[in-house]
Amino acid sequence: GAVVSQHPSWVICKSGTSVKIECRSLDFQATTMFWYRQFPKQSLMLMATSNEGSKATYEQGVEKDKFLINHASLTLSTLTVTSAHPEDSSFYICSARLLAGTETQYFGPGTRLLVL
Amino acid sequence: GENVEQHPSTLSVQEGDSAVIKCTYSDSASNYFPWYKQELGKRPQLIIDIRSNVGEKKDQRIAVTLNKTAKHFSLHITETQPEDSAVYFCAASLTALSNDYKLSFGAGTTVTVRA
Repeated sequence: GAVVSQHPSWVICKSGTSVKIECRSLDFQATTMFWYRQFPKQSLMLMATSNEGSKATYEQGVEKDKFLINHASLTLSTLTVTSAHPEDSSFYICSARLLAGTETQYFGPGTRLLVL
Repeated sequence: GENVEQHPSTLSVQEGDSAVIKCTYSDSASNYFPWYKQELGKRPQLIIDIRSNVGEKKDQRIAVTLNKTAKHFSLHITETQPEDSAVYFCAASLTALSNDYKLSFGAGTTVTVRA
């Protein structure tokens, strides 16, 4: 149980294009989903917290107009990287917290983004 | 906000020996401390967690200890095996709806088990 999927698993795009990443909780409803970014050999850096039906809360230094987050249902959150540039190339990972459950976060498999 | 420091950054152990990773946290209100294992290119996987009302927790070869007074917690892996080789992250959280149960992660420890 508590499986989180992400799509796509990897994407290569040209500079200036937008990329959408989906995060789904497959067998549970997630009150809260989190989006992280991880550069090579570094830790997970929280970008934003997404609650179903409300606006995402962004961490300091993360541009909300560049990283658009939508949490339209209890099983789906999307992250759109708008006008992507090479410095946005990274490993993006989402996690989900069980609805009315514990504080445990279940992570998706990640999406590797390469912007040329 | 919460600041979590993790040491060492790399750890090499002989198969069968023990590995210990230590973390400290800054916010005395934090009350949930999970440990995640991440293999290269894969998702972080929860391996064990501990809450502030407990001082120690064990699951087979893995154990975690918590010292609330000193604000540090440690991961202990005994009888290490090659498949234990991975990056390990500690994290801390104040489990409250007001902060969405956000996790603050340590920098990670790359563990290599030598056969």
